[in-house]
Amino acid sequence: DAKTTQPTSMDCAEGRAANLPCNHSTISGNEYVYWYRQIHSQGPQYIIHGLKNNETNEMASLIITEDRKSSTLILPHATLRDTAVYYCIVRPSIYNQGGKLIFGQGTELSVKP
Amino acid sequence: DAMVIQNPRYQVTQFGKPVTLSCSQTLNHNVMYWYQQKSSQAPKLLFHYYDKDFNNEADTPDNFQSRRPNTSFCFLDIRSPGLGDAAMYLCATSRDPWTGVRSYNEQFFGPGTRLTVL
Repeated sequence: DAKTTQPTSMDCAEGRAANLPCNHSTISGNEYVYWYRQIHSQGPQYIIHGLKNNETNEMASLIITEDRKSSTLILPHATLRDTAVYYCIVRPSIYNQGGKLIFGQGTELSVKP
Repeated sequence: DAMVIQNPRYQVTQFGKPVTLSCSQTLNHNVMYWYQQKSSQAPKLLFHYYDKDFNNEADTPDNFQSRRPNTSFCFLDIRSPGLGDAAMYLCATSRDPWTGVRSYNEQFFGPGTRLTVL
């Protein structure tokens, strides 16, 4: 399984963009990059995923480098409610282990007033 | 709203006393998962059901069992809880991963059940 490396923790000022990096240098061609977050005492919540193109939805943007060895999750205007642990996951293809999620340690993002 | 429900939210049991945690879903998803999350750690997959097919992770202890009597419900049974089994237990669901829909494998998580073993 491709492993991910994320900073243990980050701070961000409220209203500013939060940029969360993730390294996945051993990713293979058919593996997707997924991002989930987990607010304290809640279950993880899906944010976004991508293969090689940049993606955007109502929650965030995902920027994947051309060589796919790293990615950045961008929360454009962070609020206090975005304080959570953010997990970057490289997901095996459906043909490999049924595409299960394997969580790493994640980045603890603290959004400060 | 369609959702994943876990009951109870907090469960206390005694060392060695069997305990059952429950999960129900109104999403009509084919796949249901159970994760264990210990304090300050990432969620760890224990097993999952693809319809009625049970898929156990290789390192899940035999002490953990699961039942899925129908599409909507899934149970986690811990036959003889030890102190090391104290954790948050998360249930999740997803659509059939073979449909080819773009978000086919987004997993929807319940709020979790926090298990305390005395």
